[in-house]
Amino acid sequence: EAGVVQSPRYKIIEKKQPVAFWCNPISGHNTLYWYRQNLGQGPELLIRYENEEAVDDSQLPKDRFSAERLKGVDSTLKIQPAELGDSAVYLCASSLDLAGGTDTQYFGPGTRLTVL
Amino acid sequence: QKEVEQNSGPLSVPEGAIASLNCTYSDRVSQSFFWYRQYSGKSPELIMSIYSNGDKEDGRFTAQLNKASQYVSLLIRDSQPSDSATYLCAVDTGRRALTFGSGTRLQVQP
Repeated sequence: EAGVVQSPRYKIIEKKQPVAFWCNPISGHNTLYWYRQNLGQGPELLIRYENEEAVDDSQLPKDRFSAERLKGVDSTLKIQPAELGDSAVYLCASSLDLAGGTDTQYFGPGTRLTVL
Repeated sequence: QKEVEQNSGPLSVPEGAIASLNCTYSDRVSQSFFWYRQYSGKSPELIMSIYSNGDKEDGRFTAQLNKASQYVSLLIRDSQPSDSATYLCAVDTGRRALTFGSGTRLQVQP
């Protein structure tokens, strides 16, 4: 079974430029997460989707970050414009959440973003 | 106070020893607890999940949960150099998303 796929794996951009990350979850997983991991820290949730609905985006900086999961499968996270502080690893995860519980979250390899 | 706290380490143990990793959390309504292993430059990989007070064993790994003390730990028996990694404690506080600690770096010395 294929795992969570993310692209690109690495991205270097100059500040104020836009950038987009793509994620394809494990087949059949209804819940998709975007996390950001700064160096030396644990991942922090940016947004959680259940199918195509964003059910928790309270930690997403909405002035510059946007996300979509139009058909309830793959997802795109965008930053426009990027700032130096956005340099981090952006992790996508997916899970099959059954009613009443949280299933295991499986992480993709991440996209390492460097903003110069 | 951070929601999930871990000692950053590094925790250094000799090969074959028991490594003990600890985690405390602040939200009493937390229901689900997870330990992830993360090798340098790689993504987190689930090792153990635990939902009830007590111990849960899986091979060389044992997770321990004490909800009254808001404490969860991971024991690694017969530690191997390949266990050297950062271990992330994660808690689901009911938001159905995980809150992670900053991780403890484990070094197993051959």
